[in-house]
Amino acid sequence: EAQVTQNPRYLITVTGKKLTVTCSQNMNHEYMSWYRQDPGLGLRQIYYSMNVEVTDKGDVPEGYKVSRKEKRNFPLILESPSPNQTSLYFCASSLFWGDGYTFGSGTRLTVV
Amino acid sequence: DAKTTQPNSMESNEEEPVHLPCNHSTISGTDYIHWYRQLPSQGPEYVIHGLTSNVNNRMASLAIAEDRKSSTLILHRATLRDAAVYYCILPNTGKLIFGQGTTLQVKP
Repeated sequence: EAQVTQNPRYLITVTGKKLTVTCSQNMNHEYMSWYRQDPGLGLRQIYYSMNVEVTDKGDVPEGYKVSRKEKRNFPLILESPSPNQTSLYFCASSLFWGDGYTFGSGTRLTVV
Repeated sequence: DAKTTQPNSMESNEEEPVHLPCNHSTISGTDYIHWYRQLPSQGPEYVIHGLTSNVNNRMASLAIAEDRKSSTLILHRATLRDAAVYYCILPNTGKLIFGQGTTLQVKP
């Protein structure tokens, strides 16, 4: 089944403890991106990648890192999480930037 | 980035057609028009997209104005499961900018 898989689905962590949220797609898509969703603020793009080894900042990149070493994976790294990064995170992919996007099921992160 | 304008909310009766409008007066010639929806407690779901011509798929139809400054998502027979927030988006070289969308209520 064609899908975007995020792990974990739920995560509670403490301030400052590095974490990685994984994202993998099995559709050979070139484009991948990360979003966060917060009440009242909607969905905002964190980072995106047009292809392997090509990444760029979205609207809210502060406090996050990404890497795209292979086409199928696009992990989101929080080097030193803070409570304001408590949010619902979504990964998405598409064949190219103008094509339809497939979203993952989301990762609910709580930083205490 | 080209901006879209949608009504905050709409209501429909079950099994009736629904027309969800979107204005995008600053659209450029290469901007695709995308529609997504987000059901409660789920991630966004792709609905349909197009460039110039009207498009149909199993979920919906997309009617694009001749000048491309507006478009309409058409759900042919609304069901209770279509109650969601619908987003009209113009992807711009990798950036999907989600506005507030239209919250669709479907009444039985």
